[in-house]
Amino acid sequence: AQSVSQHNHHVILSEAASLELGCNYSYGGTVNLFWYVQYPGQHLQLLLKYFSGDPLVKGIKGFEAEFIKSKFSFNLRKPSVQWSDTAEYFCAVNPPHDMRFGAGTRLTVKP
Amino acid sequence: DTGVSQDPRHKITKRGQNVTFRCDPISEHNRLYWYRQTLGQGPEFLTYFQNEAQLEKSRLLSDRFSAERPKGSFSTLEIQRTEQGDSAMYLCASSPQGDTEAFFGQGTRLTVV
Repeated sequence: AQSVSQHNHHVILSEAASLELGCNYSYGGTVNLFWYVQYPGQHLQLLLKYFSGDPLVKGIKGFEAEFIKSKFSFNLRKPSVQWSDTAEYFCAVNPPHDMRFGAGTRLTVKP
Repeated sequence: DTGVSQDPRHKITKRGQNVTFRCDPISEHNRLYWYRQTLGQGPEFLTYFQNEAQLEKSRLLSDRFSAERPKGSFSTLEIQRTEQGDSAMYLCASSPQGDTEAFFGQGTRLTVV
């Protein structure tokens, strides 16, 4: 069965620290990959997406993610986090009509 | 605001009652999706529409759930004979034609007491 795993349930960092959130998926076919972010009290927003081409994709607010097909991974990274990055981050796989989300990682950035 | 809007934002209902939620997608988006999100989990796909046609339903959508999109614009999700297990955030999303990213609304939080 298709699934998405996010390994970290809650990550706590200080400002300026580097961030990497893990995401692994199990799906044998062609995949579309997404990272969504949900700031407190707000709706889910797209951070970045990968459909094809360069496996290193850049998104908004300095985030990037790397698709490694051999590892079935799509990890999210940011070199230097800010307090305003405090939010919940969701990895997702496939088109919206059958999109599978991970359980989410809550990121807390301490000022 | 030209994003996806959902109404109501919060709903508290007694077990056994029926509830209906509304979603207004982004104008001209052909596809509309419903998801459910419970505490500590990511959203789970429920169903989706291409214009007015309901094309796919998850096995999570029991026969107490029904969704409509009669004119291909707004959609409603009805839950009949609510149960405590139905308590969740119900999210609506829309996208243009094709398998692009989905744009989400802020959700309707349902509490069944």
